[in-house]
Amino acid sequence: DIQMTQSPSSLSASVGDRVTITCRASQGIRNDLGWYQQKPGKAPKRLIYAASSLQSGVPSRFSGSGSGTEFTLTISSLQPEDFATYYCLQHNSYPPFTFGPGTKVDIK
Amino acid sequence: EVQLVESGGGLVQPGGSLRLSCAASGFTFSSYSMNWVRQAPGKGLEWVSYISSSSSTIYYADSVKGRFTISRDNAKNSLYLQMNSLRDEDTAVYYCARLYGEFDIWGQGTMVTVSS
Repeated sequence: DIQMTQSPSSLSASVGDRVTITCRASQGIRNDLGWYQQKPGKAPKRLIYAASSLQSGVPSRFSGSGSGTEFTLTISSLQPEDFATYYCLQHNSYPPFTFGPGTKVDIK
Repeated sequence: EVQLVESGGGLVQPGGSLRLSCAASGFTFSSYSMNWVRQAPGKGLEWVSYISSSSSTIYYADSVKGRFTISRDNAKNSLYLQMNSLRDEDTAVYYCARLYGEFDIWGQGTMVTVSS
């Protein structure tokens, strides 16, 4: 099975900060990775697909990069509505589909 | 509007059974593989089960294999999860999700609580 790790597990940031979250796969997954945002009590929402493609309707301050085993999600200028938990998901080799453990972004 | 709506959650005793449903609308349900994903209280996301568009291929997470059964009815645009021999650790919000690359569309979730 492919294991996914994320770092950091949590971070505190201020509005306007640049935020970077890293996801690593235990083996190469090409660009078969998505990034999700989840707010409390809500379903996850896809932000990025195929590692670097922006989901329609998602603000351009979100971007994704990487291929193989290391991936990043960047928020260029953090906004109040961006405080949430972020997950990566690999779909290169399944079963199982595997999520990263999540990164909680909260207000400094 | 593309939408998935889960139902069927509730409180059940350990060892009991529950059947979840997911109603799809706004897209050609029969063309997509579908999944169930769950999230225990305060925890991360865990993939549970996958079914291909024609039901020809089915996968389960090891944690539910032999206890849960995924199925679909393309004529009714519906996805199901039959959950038997439920355990405390199955307590979670259960989401259905469409597979298009990654999981692109998610339902709002239905809560399953296993407790005596």
